Amino acid sequence: NAGVTQTPKFQVLKTGQSMTLQCAQDMNHNSMYWYRQDPGMGLRLIYYSASEGTTDKGEVPNGYNVSRLNKREFSLRLESAAPSQTSVYFCASETRVGEKLFFGSGTQLSVL
Amino acid sequence: GENVEQHPSTLSVQEGDSAVIKCTYSDSASNYFPWYKQELGKRPQLIIDIRSNVGEKKDQRIAVTLNKTAKHFSLHITETQPEDSAVYFCAALRGSGGGADGLTFGKGTHLIIQP
Repeated sequence: NAGVTQTPKFQVLKTGQSMTLQCAQDMNHNSMYWYRQDPGMGLRLIYYSASEGTTDKGEVPNGYNVSRLNKREFSLRLESAAPSQTSVYFCASETRVGEKLFFGSGTQLSVL
Repeated sequence: GENVEQHPSTLSVQEGDSAVIKCTYSDSASNYFPWYKQELGKRPQLIIDIRSNVGEKKDQRIAVTLNKTAKHFSLHITETQPEDSAVYFCAALRGSGGGADGLTFGKGTHLIIQP
């Protein structure tokens, strides 16, 4: 089992460009999440999907959109990237809300 | 929403000594409190968790205590070893009738084990 797979691992964008971060899990988990990690700020929730067919905003959703494509895949889209979105992004999944979170390996995004 | 405060931000201890990291949460409806360890350049990984119906939980050298009345919980690591050096995050989950909102994390504690 691969667990939680994120792509790409690194990305450099110019201000105003768009991109989609991909996430897939092969553990048959119901709940999936996108977090961003900034120095000294911990992990902040951007969006989550408690189950297939549902998505909800987290603490810092502005500038992002998500799609729960199916049970396995949960993508994060930046429509018009801004320097403030420079961060490390982690996708995570769990069997259901309130269980052990499994994280992907992260995407390091720089917006110039 | 939930707010989780974590202290200290950096903790340096001698190898073999104990380390304690403390967190407070704001929402009395929170009922699940995990701790994650993140080594440099790696992904966070769950090391221990506790639910609100339990006051203490132990797993070998690590333990977590929960005080619901005071709304705080702590991570205790005994007989620290070099491989314990990492950033540790506490988190809280607010359970609600319509489903929970996802974990709220503290800002992390950088634990340094001095040889």
